[in-house]
Amino acid sequence: DADVTQTPRNRITKTGKRIMLECSQTKGHDRMYWYRQDPGLGLRLIYYSFDVKDINKGEISDGYSVSRQAQAKFSLSLESAIPNQTALYFCATSDLGASGASETQYFGPGTRLLVL
Amino acid sequence: AQTVTQSQPEMSVQEAETVTLSCTYDTSESDYYLFWYKQPPSRQMILVIRQEAYKQQNATENRFSVNFQKAAKSFSLKISDSQLGDAAMYFCAYRKYNNNDMRFGAGTRLTVKP
Repeated sequence: DADVTQTPRNRITKTGKRIMLECSQTKGHDRMYWYRQDPGLGLRLIYYSFDVKDINKGEISDGYSVSRQAQAKFSLSLESAIPNQTALYFCATSDLGASGASETQYFGPGTRLLVL
Repeated sequence: AQTVTQSQPEMSVQEAETVTLSCTYDTSESDYYLFWYKQPPSRQMILVIRQEAYKQQNATENRFSVNFQKAAKSFSLKISDSQLGDAAMYFCAYRKYNNNDMRFGAGTRLTVKP
């Protein structure tokens, strides 16, 4: 079984609709992240969470919100989807390393979102 | 802000040959991490190799090795004995020490020819 799962894997929605992307992990990591991937731009960080009570904005948080329901679950919401939010969305997790810095990030399989 | 540049949008290599993918980055920090991730058609992001900036020795993982040039801010990935399964998008990434904001390059698409 995959350590980091994302649902749905693919989604088509219409402009103005609310949509939620979900991420679950069985790695026992405290830290979770949401990225979006656009062609030619690589991955960009939307939000990240150090634990259930800690949420932080990333590079491109406008138009998105998140919820950390439990250590293992981190959801991303688009309150009113717009076409330029069409992208591939990745969830990732990491643990706190011995150095005090987060170690390697492990990614889910991605959710492809199309906003019409 | 830190930026990561991959100057080769596409590369190709013959099976069993060696290929090097380039990556440069911009930072004023002295402590940081560098990563190479592979993204095959399945879309999964898979860690290939990681380098800590304070380590002078280049990281190696089986057929994958890096050439880390700190002064030049260069972090290239060498794939030896290329295999068909190596065909994928490869992303270089930078993360400042003790910071969770990881910055990715735009990627290099690697094709492996049989």
